[in-house]
Amino acid sequence: DVKVTQSSRYLVKRTGEKVFLECVQDMDHENMFWYRQDPGLGLRLIYFSYDVKMKEKGDIPEGYSVSREKKERFSLILESASTNQTSMYLCASSLSGTGEGSFFGQGTRLTVV
Amino acid sequence: AQKITQTQPGMFVQEKEAVTLDCTYDTSDQSYGLFWYKQPSSGEMIFLIYQGSYDEQNATEGRYSLNFQKARKSANLVISASQLGDSAMYFCAMRESSTGGFKTIFGAGTRLFVKA
Repeated sequence: DVKVTQSSRYLVKRTGEKVFLECVQDMDHENMFWYRQDPGLGLRLIYFSYDVKMKEKGDIPEGYSVSREKKERFSLILESASTNQTSMYLCASSLSGTGEGSFFGQGTRLTVV
Repeated sequence: AQKITQTQPGMFVQEKEAVTLDCTYDTSDQSYGLFWYKQPSSGEMIFLIYQGSYDEQNATEGRYSLNFQKARKSANLVISASQLGDSAMYFCAMRESSTGGFKTIFGAGTRLFVKA
């Protein structure tokens, strides 16, 4: 079974803290993604990576950065957490150019207080 | 600009009836992929069906079919014989090429309620 594992299911952080969300996949997928999901807005792409050390901005990268030092691990970093970053964060991985869908982690519900 | 548009925030359907969830997309790529996912209240994302832009036949997977109209840039999901377990959020998504690889973007979703 393909597994995408996010390090935390729930997180509560204070405004201004640096926050790390970790994601690991075990299927040797080259593509990995970070989305945030908010009611009425669907999933919005924050950053994605198509190879180790390669990253591209998605639609809402402001306030976030990412790191991909190893193929299986993709980290999302909130440099200075703000209350408007309270959201559900979903990590996903996929193969390139196939009809196979993306595989998602269970999500991290982040609350910034 | 919105690239994936799902115009139905919520839909109701009677059990055993068919329902169509709308999705339109915008891309300048010639090669792209279209996906539908289901998200039940448990929160997991479940891949349902895929349609490649060059596929001439509409994709089908069991009770799910994708009504692909390329000229209209629409990729509607049809669920036949609805079941109570089909009640969930449904997301349309598109994979398109980017600078170095592929990215997948999602619509806002449609919440489907199946009535007994």
